Amino acid sequence: GAVVSQHPSRVICKSGTSVKIECRSLDFQATTMFWYRQFPKQSLMLMATSNEGSKATYEQGVEKDKFLINHASLTLSTLTVTSAHPEDSSFYICSASRAGEQYFGPGTRLTVT
Amino acid sequence: DAKTTQPPSMDCAEGRAANLPCNHSTISGNEYVYWYRQIHSQGPQYIIHGLKNNETNEMASLIITEDRKSSTLILPHATLRDTAVYYCIVRVARGGADGLTFGKGTHLIIQP
Repeated sequence: GAVVSQHPSRVICKSGTSVKIECRSLDFQATTMFWYRQFPKQSLMLMATSNEGSKATYEQGVEKDKFLINHASLTLSTLTVTSAHPEDSSFYICSASRAGEQYFGPGTRLTVT
Repeated sequence: DAKTTQPPSMDCAEGRAANLPCNHSTISGNEYVYWYRQIHSQGPQYIIHGLKNNETNEMASLIITEDRKSSTLILPHATLRDTAVYYCIVRVARGGADGLTFGKGTHLIIQP
């Protein structure tokens, strides 16, 4: 149990376009989901906390207008990278909270050309 | 959350026990020690957690010192698939509303 999926696993987009990444909890409901970003050879950095039915909470230095988060249901949170630029190329990972524990998705590799 | 310190890398021979240390000298009384690992280009995987007693599950054992200022994760019979970055994280248990703070972790390399 406690499986989290992400879609897509890899995406390549052109600079200036937007891309949406989905995070789903497959066998449980999650009122809270988290989005992390990981640059090459670095550790995961928390970007934002996504709460079902309310606005996301962003970490300091993360632009909320650039990284749009929607948590429309108890099993789905989406992260939209708007007007993507090459510096947004990264590995994006979500996690879903259940009973106080976090379960991670497999990650989405975003490459902006 | 308390800060943790881990060696950046370690090697271990396949089939031997891998012992990964973590220092968390500023840990508070209500904070647990959690271990996750991340295999290359995958999401982190939960391994084990504990408060003060030693813990064991099907993946690993966690040994916490009596003063709780340090701990050791033990993989009893390491395999090549255990090559990963291992993260030691101190956090309040059941703190589901808070994201995790990842340090740099230990890159464990299992040698054939």
